[in-house]
Amino acid sequence: AQSVTQLDSQVPVFEEAPVELRCNYSSSVSVYLFWYVQYPNQGLQLLLKYLSGSTLVKGINGFEAEFNKSQTSFHLRKPSVHISDTAEYFCAVSNEETSGSRLTFGEGTQLTVNP
Amino acid sequence: KAGVTQTPRYLIKTRGQQVTLSCSPISGHRSVSWYQQTPGQGLQFLFEYFSETQRNKGNFPGRFSGRQFSNSRSEMNVSTLELGDSALYLCASSLMPRRTGELFFGEGSRLTVL
Repeated sequence: AQSVTQLDSQVPVFEEAPVELRCNYSSSVSVYLFWYVQYPNQGLQLLLKYLSGSTLVKGINGFEAEFNKSQTSFHLRKPSVHISDTAEYFCAVSNEETSGSRLTFGEGTQLTVNP
Repeated sequence: KAGVTQTPRYLIKTRGQQVTLSCSPISGHRSVSWYQQTPGQGLQFLFEYFSETQRNKGNFPGRFSGRQFSNSRSEMNVSTLELGDSALYLCASSLMPRRTGELFFGEGSRLTVL
């Protein structure tokens, strides 16, 4: 079994400030980790994913995430946010026992960027 | 290249009715997954289809069903609607059903059950 916990349901920040959205996972086998973003009234879009190799993963729109196996975390970061980054962000996991492309999602973190 | 298309975008039904939602995947994508999104339960996996066969099923009652056609288009059906079925239903497509692959989501069908 696997699970994902996003530690913050809402994160308000000011424009141009750095941000970190936290994600912890639980799995008994090797994991694959994803961050998706959902803008209002839209579907989800992949920001980045970790499959193996380098623990620092860079994605679209200036986001990056670091896989930390010892802390079972996959936190998302951006050094300077824009108003347009306001959206809901979802951490998701699959693992080597996952059948097909089924993902287990976290509860989501609403990022609000204020001017 | 057109994205994932879901129809209808919005619909209102009453308890006891049934509903059918449609999803057209990205051209060339053969795997289609469905997710239910609600404020209380978040995103929950419903089922996945590949080559007209259900590959996976989430923990939902039998009132929720789906199918996939030879052109990879998919439909999901919910019978005997309950108030708790009100949700955004998201369809996602991928080239193949792979645990490491990217899912491409549609904008969803928002179902309100009165």
